[in-house]
Amino acid sequence: AQTVTQSQPEMSVQEAETVTLSCTYDTSESDYYLFWYKQPPSRQMILVIRQEAYKQQNATENRFSVNFQKAAKSFSLKISDSQLGDAAMYFCAYRSAWGQGGSEKLVFGKGTKLTVNP
Amino acid sequence: DARVTQTPRDKVTEMGQEVTMRCQPILGHNTVFWYRQTMMQGLELLAYFRNRAPLDDSGMPKDRFSAEMPDATLATLKIQPSEPRDSAVYFCASGLGLSTDTQYFGPGTRLTVL
Repeated sequence: AQTVTQSQPEMSVQEAETVTLSCTYDTSESDYYLFWYKQPPSRQMILVIRQEAYKQQNATENRFSVNFQKAAKSFSLKISDSQLGDAAMYFCAYRSAWGQGGSEKLVFGKGTKLTVNP
Repeated sequence: DARVTQTPRDKVTEMGQEVTMRCQPILGHNTVFWYRQTMMQGLELLAYFRNRAPLDDSGMPKDRFSAEMPDATLATLKIQPSEPRDSAVYFCASGLGLSTDTQYFGPGTRLTVL
């Protein structure tokens, strides 16, 4: 079974600075997808960014980018120019690709609470 | 702006009562997922459907939980009888049912069982 580990329960960053959230995962599959979701106090789960395992290029979405290291099974999220609205719980998630024989469910880490200081 | 909707947003009930949570997936999405979020266990899949048929309900306690899709625009999750340990936030998510799919989440139903 796949597992996702987020080793930082809490992180803080100054407004306008850069912060990196860590995520590692364990799988024997060769093809899969990785995601970062944001959960603000409103509790809505919002997709931040996704990465296909077969792509070597790291995904970017505006101020959000990932460092995907497939061999190391590492998938970190970098937030540049942090804003007060970035304060939230961030969840790393894994999903098997079709044809791997696994479920389509998302397997989540425990989350990292990000505080942004003005 | 297409989004997943869930009702009710919050529900407080007493132990032993039946609880029904509803989800309307994004129009055109044929795959619906139910997740439960607790402090202890985090986010876990309960069940998911494609084209209204259940594909995986291995995460759902069968004795008291049931999930259905009466039609393509409505998914329901029922708990009968409810217990205090069922207190959690229940999320519905939907997707297009493609291999490259992304799951889009609703706002969740916070259930408190007294």
